[in-house]
Amino acid sequence: GDSVTQMEGPVTLSEEAFLTINCTYTATGYPSLFWYVQYPGEGLQLLLKATKADDKGSNKGFEATYRKETTSFHLEKGSVQVSDSAVYFCALSEGTDKLIFGTGTRLQVFP
Amino acid sequence: ETGVTQSPTHLIKTRGQQVTLRCSSQSGHNTVSWYQQALGQGPQFIFQYYREEENGRGNFPPRFSGLQFPNYSSELNVNALELDDSALYLCASSLTTSGAYNEQFFGPGTRLTVL
Repeated sequence: GDSVTQMEGPVTLSEEAFLTINCTYTATGYPSLFWYVQYPGEGLQLLLKATKADDKGSNKGFEATYRKETTSFHLEKGSVQVSDSAVYFCALSEGTDKLIFGTGTRLQVFP
Repeated sequence: ETGVTQSPTHLIKTRGQQVTLRCSSQSGHNTVSWYQQALGQGPQFIFQYYREEENGRGNFPPRFSGLQFPNYSSELNVNALELDDSALYLCASSLTTSGAYNEQFFGPGTRLTVL
């Protein structure tokens, strides 16, 4: 079945460092891909998405490119802030019925 | 515009009991999905309701059941609680239209602890 694998955390960075969180997927068709963020004590928020190969999703300085050839959707940000500290989830959907999530990667940014 | 709300925020139950969790969907949305998020894990899809009917189900036993009401709010019921049911239960609402993916908006969740 479909699945998402993302790098284990925590990822610990200093403010203004470059961030990469790896995500790869397995799917039978052509899924849409997502990054969600979960701040402490809150629900999930959609950070960005891409619906077809080579699409680049971007939001709040974060970017991810849908790479069909490597089945990847890595999350990047050029300069992280303390306020980016959260848990990040990669997810896919092959229709409107459900999202399949990875296990999440905790990001800790220190001043 | 009111977002997705869930109640209660926290709940403690004992093994064998039954629990009902509630979700109010975002204004204008007609679909509700439920997810279980165990500690340190990603959310797992339980089921989805659209127009008051179950519209897809994940790998959860029948003791997990749900309802959707005419105002599109929803309930998740879990019977015969087990220790492994301890988790954060997330509700997400969306507006189902034909064709492309419809973004799901998540509530803050209900934290269930089974003792």
